[in-house]
Amino acid sequence: SQTIHQWPATLVQPVGSPLSLECTVEGTSNPNLYWYRQAAGRGLQLLFYSVGIGQISSEVPQNLSASRPQDRQFILSSKKLLLSDSGFYLCAWSVGGHSTDTQYFGPGTRLTVL
Amino acid sequence: AQSVTQLDSQVPVFEEAPVELRCNYSSSVSVYLFWYVQYPNQGLQLLLKYLSGSTLVKGINGFEAEFNKSQTSFHLRKPSVHISDTAEYFCAVTPFSGGYQKVTFGTGTKLQVIP
Repeated sequence: SQTIHQWPATLVQPVGSPLSLECTVEGTSNPNLYWYRQAAGRGLQLLFYSVGIGQISSEVPQNLSASRPQDRQFILSSKKLLLSDSGFYLCAWSVGGHSTDTQYFGPGTRLTVL
Repeated sequence: AQSVTQLDSQVPVFEEAPVELRCNYSSSVSVYLFWYVQYPNQGLQLLLKYLSGSTLVKGINGFEAEFNKSQTSFHLRKPSVHISDTAEYFCAVTPFSGGYQKVTFGTGTKLQVIP
């Protein structure tokens, strides 16, 4: 069966510090991968999605970046965090290449920037 | 572009009572529709989705939703809620298209089941 892991589960970082959040998927090959941010009262905002190694599409201009160094690994990074980067970050995967495909979400990382 | 409106940010309901969570969408093209559930401090899980066919869609945990094209709505219902249904529910849409299209989520409705 497929599983998705995210770490860390929680993170408290000072403004201006770097960020690295990791997501890995097991049990499937060549998944589509997604990073979402969930801020209070704002629903889910798609940040990045990837259809293959090294292929990243950015949905929202910001100081975050994403990389996919391996087929089932997706990393969210920042060089300098802002207060507005606080939120709940969710990684998700799907297979099939169509938007009707079910997305499977990881447990999330709660980031607090102080 | 698509948008999703979930007017109710919180819905309290007594255990074993029925519940309806409202979702309206806006789109210039036909869409596919989803409901996801998020239990506290967890990721989202698909409840049900409407792709085509019957406008009444049945999902997991006894939930169902009805697609109403004329009212651009996709309301979620359950005839009798349980304490374990306490969670946040998200409506989402994506446009008809070949290949990948972005899924747009609503702001969520927190369902609080009162014992």
